[in-house]
Amino acid sequence: GEDVEQSLFLSVREGDSSVINCTYTDSSSTYLYWYKQEPGAGLQLLTYIFSNMDMKQDQRLTVLLNKKDKHLSLRIADTQTGDSAIYFCAESRLGGGADGLTFGKGTHLIIQP
Amino acid sequence: NAGVTQTPKFRVLKTGQSMTLLCAQDMNHEYMYWYRQDPGMGLRLIHYSVGEGTTAKGEVPDGYNVSRLKKQNFLLGLESAAPSQTSVYFCASNDRAYEQYFGPGTRLTVT
Repeated sequence: GEDVEQSLFLSVREGDSSVINCTYTDSSSTYLYWYKQEPGAGLQLLTYIFSNMDMKQDQRLTVLLNKKDKHLSLRIADTQTGDSAIYFCAESRLGGGADGLTFGKGTHLIIQP
Repeated sequence: NAGVTQTPKFRVLKTGQSMTLLCAQDMNHEYMYWYRQDPGMGLRLIHYSVGEGTTAKGEVPDGYNVSRLKKQNFLLGLESAAPSQTSVYFCASNDRAYEQYFGPGTRLTVT
């Protein structure tokens, strides 16, 4: 079956880089996503990567995909207090997630002043 | 353009009561989803729909029913609520593109 694993907490100092890691088991995953959830809010798509890519950069965000090891990471450069949130890794087998997404349990990013 | 909206935002039910959660989207999306989020569990897919008049089971469908009579609406029903259904429920929608748009959530407590 499908499974997505993430560490539960990450603590970083303001201004440092944050690296959130994720592993998945479904080798047929086509899209891999990172979502952000702030307290009491819904989920906001941060970025995604197609399975035939190994890197994607979008401003302060860098996504690395190691398909051989089924490992995905999200790097946030120059972490700010506004980045404090829960970050979810998710995968889908079908394009556009037509049959739904499988989520990890989320990583709480804690920013130290 | 309101995106994805959910009604109600909060609800408290007693065990055995029934209720319906409404999800509406104004983006003309084909696909719609219901997820539940529990502490430490991430989001899990309950049911989904790939078009008007269609529904399919997700990972945790037991105790829930859904209907998609209109393309813009996706209803989630609890016929006989149980404390194990205390959760935050999220609706989402998308077209054939990559991004699922999420609603703000409904916080349900079953006592």
